[in-house]
Amino acid sequence: QSALTQPASVSGSPGQSITISCTGTSSDVGTYNLVSWYQQHPGKAPKLMIYEVTKWPSGVSHRFSGSKSGSTASLTISGLQAEDEADYYCCSYAPGNTHMIFGGGTKLTVL
Amino acid sequence: EVQLLESGGGFVQPGGSLRLSCAASGFTFSDYAMSWVRQAPGKGLEWVSAIYGGGDKSYYAASVKGRFTISRDNSKNTLSLEMNSLRAEDTAIYYCAKAHDTPGYYDFGSWGQGTLVTVSS
Repeated sequence: QSALTQPASVSGSPGQSITISCTGTSSDVGTYNLVSWYQQHPGKAPKLMIYEVTKWPSGVSHRFSGSKSGSTASLTISGLQAEDEADYYCCSYAPGNTHMIFGGGTKLTVL
Repeated sequence: EVQLLESGGGFVQPGGSLRLSCAASGFTFSDYAMSWVRQAPGKGLEWVSAIYGGGDKSYYAASVKGRFTISRDNSKNTLSLEMNSLRAEDTAIYYCAKAHDTPGYYDFGSWGQGTLVTVSS
């Protein structure tokens, strides 16, 4: 099973909002509300930003929000800040041989 | 505070073996599923394997099934990954990750700093 599909890059100016899409299939994103999002700064370990499509872990800014429509999940970041510049990965439960599948990652540039 | 500390990475020839460990602290280890997630140099994240808190169920990515074995010692708060028949494509940083708050292994709420495995002749 191929990775979930994410745009390679997105960009926005400080204060703006951006959305990163994550497209799967009816076998993963489309059926299970077990999509999570991770932020990774260069040379650092990933950080959980959203889990179960829309939920925030403790300590994560609510400027980050998640949603899902059909087989596409989305991460929206509002009020962009310089420190939001990072790579973002989506991940979904995908029962069967794959179990868990990540997206290819999206590089966010804050202009 | 949750802490995860991986060790055991290094340089190994194709066909060789390596055992990774992850020392956990700051939470009740046996209550949470644990996973290994890897990242090849300059590439994205790839889930490798997961094991439930009791150690009774484990799961593997197709790319490592039959070659890697995940295990845990709840008395020592330690997660392990035994890697055999290593290939060049197994070269990556290997992260130990703790499930967030869900019963399953469906998300990764805390991560270690990673340990680098290099497979090359």
